[in-house]
Amino acid sequence: LAKTTQPISMDSYEGQEVNITCSHNNIATNDYITWYQQFPSQGPRFIIQGYKTKVTNEVASLFIPADRKSSTLSLPRVSLSDTAVYYCLVGVQNFVFGPGTRLSVLP
Amino acid sequence: DTGVSQNPRHKITKRGQNVTFRCDPISEHNRLYWYRQTLGQGPEFLTYFQNEAQLEKSRLLSDRFSAERPKGSFSTLEIQRTEQGDSAMYLCASSHQGIEAFFGQGTRLTVV
Repeated sequence: LAKTTQPISMDSYEGQEVNITCSHNNIATNDYITWYQQFPSQGPRFIIQGYKTKVTNEVASLFIPADRKSSTLSLPRVSLSDTAVYYCLVGVQNFVFGPGTRLSVLP
Repeated sequence: DTGVSQNPRHKITKRGQNVTFRCDPISEHNRLYWYRQTLGQGPEFLTYFQNEAQLEKSRLLSDRFSAERPKGSFSTLEIQRTEQGDSAMYLCASSHQGIEAFFGQGTRLTVV
């Protein structure tokens, strides 16, 4: 399983765009990249998944360079309610979580 | 059915007792996953099923942990002879072919 590395924590202010980068140098050809969000005392919630280039949905964008050794989750115009832990998963099965990035959105 | 359901939500047990948790996945989902999560850590993968087959169980924490999914629908996770270190949140998730996993609210276990 590909190992992922993310910043442990990030701070931002309301209304800013937040970019969280995940490194996965040993990603395999068949691996997908998936991001989850988790609030305290709740299970993780799927945000977005991609294989290459760019994927966008109603809540986020995922940018994946051509070598696929990293990926960036982009959250546009964050609000206080986006304060959470964000996890990057890499794999075919995508079921192994790392420690995640704790995002704090400040007023 | 609007999501993954886990029961009970909270369980307090004495050390040495056995506990069993239940997970009801989203009905059309063929994959079911169990995780353990302790404070400040990411979910730790334990095991998963595809239909009734348990395809990965090497990450179960010890032989005190076992999981079943007898008819490919609901699943149970049992911990025998509980220890204080087993205190954690136990999460269940389900997916259709492993694309997007939907998680339940979890069962919080406290071993006293």
